[in-house]
Amino acid sequence: QQQVKQSPQSLIVQKGGISIINCAYENTAFDYFPWYQQFPGKGPALLIAIRPDVSEKKEGRFTISFNKSAKQFSLHIMDSQPGDSATYFCAASRPAGTALIFGKGTTLSVSS
Amino acid sequence: KAGVTQTPRYLIKTRGQQVTLSCSPISGHRSVSWYQQTPGQGLQFLFEYFSETQRNKGNFPGRFSGRQFSNSRSEMNVSTLELGDSALYLCASSLAGGAGGNTIYFGEGSWLTVV
Repeated sequence: QQQVKQSPQSLIVQKGGISIINCAYENTAFDYFPWYQQFPGKGPALLIAIRPDVSEKKEGRFTISFNKSAKQFSLHIMDSQPGDSATYFCAASRPAGTALIFGKGTTLSVSS
Repeated sequence: KAGVTQTPRYLIKTRGQQVTLSCSPISGHRSVSWYQQTPGQGLQFLFEYFSETQRNKGNFPGRFSGRQFSNSRSEMNVSTLELGDSALYLCASSLAGGAGGNTIYFGEGSWLTVV
């Protein structure tokens, strides 16, 4: 049972465009929703995270939109740059412990 | 401030052997968790240790085990290796555990190939 579903699997965006990656979750007990960025040969690095008590969080060019009733959240990358080309993972966890449940990942390619 | 350090970075083992991977968390972090990353299954949680105690465990067979030492350093062990154990094993640390309030930092991982 996949608890966090991520789409699309891959994404090609023009430089300067907006990249949008979507995730849906099933467990209403989840209360922490981070997004991680991973470059080849590297470990995942936290980009931005949100709690369900807010509907949107913005950090620089990265924005998380959260819809609690629909159990969906998305990552928007504004003004996408070639350096943003990486694999992005959404994740979710319950209040206790650090067991992150990850989506399958989205490979983003930003063309110049 | 040094990040999460994992050793070895790369290793090749033969089916049936066992392997031990090591992780040094960020200084001051007391929670260490381990994940397995494969192309087919993605990132999957193995277990988490906090103050030398296993606090959470994922859905992996008993061949996968771990421990944490008093200095928060952690090791994971995989016995009787199978070809399907070939993966990137990631260690992550956080200040006190409890994902809701603490950022989780990942190391660069240990690449295990089982032949």
